[in-house]
Amino acid sequence: ETGVTQTPRHLVMGMTNKKSLKCEQHLGHNAMYWYKQSAKKPLELMFVYNFKEQTENNSVPSRFSPECPNSSHLFLHLHTLQPEDSALYLCASSQAIGGRQTSGNTIYFGEGSWLTVV
Amino acid sequence: AQTVTQSQPEMSVQEAETVTLSCTYDTSESDYYLFWYKQPPSRQMILVIRQEAYKQQNATENRFSVNFQKAAKSFSLKISDSQLGDAAMYFCAYLFSSYGKLTFGQGTILTVHP
Repeated sequence: ETGVTQTPRHLVMGMTNKKSLKCEQHLGHNAMYWYKQSAKKPLELMFVYNFKEQTENNSVPSRFSPECPNSSHLFLHLHTLQPEDSALYLCASSQAIGGRQTSGNTIYFGEGSWLTVV
Repeated sequence: AQTVTQSQPEMSVQEAETVTLSCTYDTSESDYYLFWYKQPPSRQMILVIRQEAYKQQNATENRFSVNFQKAAKSFSLKISDSQLGDAAMYFCAYLFSSYGKLTFGQGTILTVHP
């Protein structure tokens, strides 16, 4: 059982659709992340939020729009995607960014959302 | 920029035997964290073991242990008494805590033969 829950687990969308991926963490963490995992490529960090503030946007196209309303929830809004955006999108969380804490810098992942753009 | 390299795309081991997965990384920082994650066919990323760079002692977690060589920037994972459930993709990852950015290697597919 994971402390990070992602919905939906699978999503198929057309290039003109608007959809959202949702992530919720039940670990009391303050930092949340979106990662993209494509075939034959290493995991790519997309966005980082720390205490609801975005601290990293790793040159992600504007057709991906993140939202973090509170420390427990993270969304990824999808609009006008391309077929090459088809991938596994992984949400993750950690206790905090920065500092030396016993376990605070460990990042825990959800089960991922499979996205297929047709 | 930090980079993580896993030079073994695939490894195999017999059940109950020991296997070592290799990882090297490049960084100019002195205080950071290293991780091994396991990704089974379900695709969930599961934490296997964690190492703080300021600790000289190698981390151990049951059948999993690491050989952390800070000067050589090497971080290998040893799996003892391999089990069928250990079959998965294994990722080495580096974290510089100030930025919260986890950098992954390319992954090693581990096959366990009965």
